[in-house]
Amino acid sequence: AQTVTQSQPEMSVQEAETVTLSCTYDTSESNYYLFWYKQPPSRQMILVIRQEAYKQQNATENRFSVNFQKAAKSFSLKISDSQLGDTAMYFCAFSNSGNTPLVFGKGTRLSVIA
Amino acid sequence: SQTIHQWPATLVQPVGSPLSLECTVEGTSNPNLYWYRQAAGRGLQLLFYSVGIGQISSEVPQNLSASRPQDRQFILSSKKLLLSDSGFYLCAWSVPGRNEQFFGPGTRLTVL
Repeated sequence: AQTVTQSQPEMSVQEAETVTLSCTYDTSESNYYLFWYKQPPSRQMILVIRQEAYKQQNATENRFSVNFQKAAKSFSLKISDSQLGDTAMYFCAFSNSGNTPLVFGKGTRLSVIA
Repeated sequence: SQTIHQWPATLVQPVGSPLSLECTVEGTSNPNLYWYRQAAGRGLQLLFYSVGIGQISSEVPQNLSASRPQDRQFILSSKKLLLSDSGFYLCAWSVPGRNEQFFGPGTRLTVL
């Protein structure tokens, strides 16, 4: 079974600084998808970024980018120019190809400090 | 554009009472649908998912059940709630064959 591990329960960063959240996963599949979701205090889950395993290029979405290391099974999220609105729980998630459900990590609580 | 609705937003129920949470999706057809539970300060636990009307897969054996009476409607039910059923319930949908899921606003359930 696939597993997703987020080893940092909590992190903090100063406003305007850069922070990296870690995620590792375990799978025997060669093709799969990885995601980062953000859950602010409102508890609405928001998709931040998506990475397809067959693509070598790291995904980016504005201030959010990933460092995808397939051999190491690592998928970290980098947030640049951190803003107070980035304060949230961040979940890493994994999915095989097709209609399989997502497997989530336990989350990292990020606090952005003014 | 697609939207997903959940109701009620909050619910307080006594132990032993029944439960019905509803989720509907607009703007798409034949979505995959999911129910998750999130305990306080914890990650998401997949409860049920459905790839079509009447097709329900259960991930965790418990006193909850799910039904999909219509293409874009997903219902989470219980005949008798337990204290341990308290939590935040999230419904999500995805396009068949695509893996990213989109979540509803959630229902906060407190069982007393």
